[in-house]
Amino acid sequence: RKEVEQDPGPFNVPEGATVAFNCTYSNSASQSFFWYRQDCRKEPKLLMSVYSSGNEDGRFTAQLNRASQYISLLIRDSKLSDSATYLCVVLTGGSYIPTFGRGTSLIVHP
Amino acid sequence: DTGVSQDPRHKITKRGQNVTFRCDPISEHNRLYWYRQTLGQGPEFLTYFQNEAQLEKSRLLSDRFSAERPKGSFSTLEIQRTEQGDSAMYLCASSKDSPRETQYFGPGTRLLVL
Repeated sequence: RKEVEQDPGPFNVPEGATVAFNCTYSNSASQSFFWYRQDCRKEPKLLMSVYSSGNEDGRFTAQLNRASQYISLLIRDSKLSDSATYLCVVLTGGSYIPTFGRGTSLIVHP
Repeated sequence: DTGVSQDPRHKITKRGQNVTFRCDPISEHNRLYWYRQTLGQGPEFLTYFQNEAQLEKSRLLSDRFSAERPKGSFSTLEIQRTEQGDSAMYLCASSKDSPRETQYFGPGTRLLVL
C-alpha cells in the first residue's frame, strides 16, 4: 500500500459546483498535512495547511480525520481558474520527511 | 525576483553522461529539498539539507545521485552515468527552519536522457 494515496481523477465539474477530494495516508504517526496546488507544467504551490480542527480559507475547506487516516479538501463555487492538480502532502517521522500523493486533477468547465 | 531559482531549466543528455543541476533557495531559508517528479505522479522526495548539513536521503536514491550545499546557500544535484529512467523533472524547494513551514518550489529542471 502506498504511503499517501489520491484518486488521480480527473474530476470534471461545471462552474459553480462543489467538489471534494480525499487523500488517505498509511502511517498513523503522521503529524502534519497540507494541500498544494500544481498548474500544468508549473511548480507546486501551497494551497493550505490542514489543522486537526479543520480549517477554511474562502471557498476552500480542509479537514483531517485521524481515526480513518484521511484528509479532505472541499471546494465550493468552483471557478474555471480552480482547474489544476491538487497534491496532498503528509509529514511523517522524526525528520518530518514530506510524502506527496500523486495528485487529483480537477477540470472546471463553463 | 526573490523566489527559488533553478538552472538549467532544461537538459538533454546522452545515457552515461554526468549532469549537474543548481538550486538557489530563498535567501533566509535554512532548509532545502530536492524532489523528482514524473508525469502523472507527485513529487518524490530525494534529499534535504538544514543549512549545509544533508540530514536525510531517500532509500530510493541511487548512489549515482549526490547533492551538496557547501555554504548553506545554493545546492547542486549531480547524477552520474545517467540512465533513461532518470528522465524527469527535478524540483528544488526551500523553507524556513521548521519542517512544518511552507515549502516554496523552484520552476524545476526538466531532464531528458536519450
